[in-house]
Amino acid sequence: AQTVTQSQPEMSVQEAETVTLSCTYDTSENNYYLFWYKQPPSRQMILVIRQEAYKQQNATENRFSVNFQKAAKSFSLKISDSQLGDTAMYFCAFMKPAYSGAGSYQLTFGKGTKLSVIP
Amino acid sequence: NAGVTQTPKFQVLKTGQSMTLQCAQDMNHNSMYWYRQDPGMGLRLIYYSASEGTTDKGEVPNGYNVSRLNKREFSLRLESAAPSQTSVYFCASSDRFMNYGYTFGSGTRLTVV
Repeated sequence: AQTVTQSQPEMSVQEAETVTLSCTYDTSENNYYLFWYKQPPSRQMILVIRQEAYKQQNATENRFSVNFQKAAKSFSLKISDSQLGDTAMYFCAFMKPAYSGAGSYQLTFGKGTKLSVIP
Repeated sequence: NAGVTQTPKFQVLKTGQSMTLQCAQDMNHNSMYWYRQDPGMGLRLIYYSASEGTTDKGEVPNGYNVSRLNKREFSLRLESAAPSQTSVYFCASSDRFMNYGYTFGSGTRLTVV
């Protein structure tokens, strides 16, 4: 079974600064997908960024980027130029690809990191 | 708007009461899921339906039942609610062949007293 670990329960960052959220995972799969989801106080789960394990290039979405280290099984999220609207819970998640047997296309989540952006 | 619709958004139950959480998606997704979110625990999978006509247990299925009514709808039933089932429940859907992650509903906050 896959496990996802987010070792930082809470973090804070000054507005306009950069912050990195950590995530590690454990799997025996070679192909898989990794995600970061954002959950603001509204409770809605919002996909931030997605990484395919077979791609060496780190994914980027505007101010959000990842540092994907496959050998180390590490998938950190960097938020640049932090904004007050970035205040939220952030969840790292792992997915086995389709056709990979039991548990495929199920998302396994970490316990989350609560990020506060300070004005 | 296209997406996943969950009802109700809030519910208070007494211990032993039953209720059904409804979920519908209009994106023609094959797979649907029910998760519960508890403080400090992240999201944990209760049940899922990989495709219409199939359902399977997830990590925490005890005390719940599900029905995949058709491709659009996937309901979660609590037959005899317990205080331990106080949680926020999320329904989600995905295209199982695309691995683009899930689209989530807005959640149901359930309190069992």
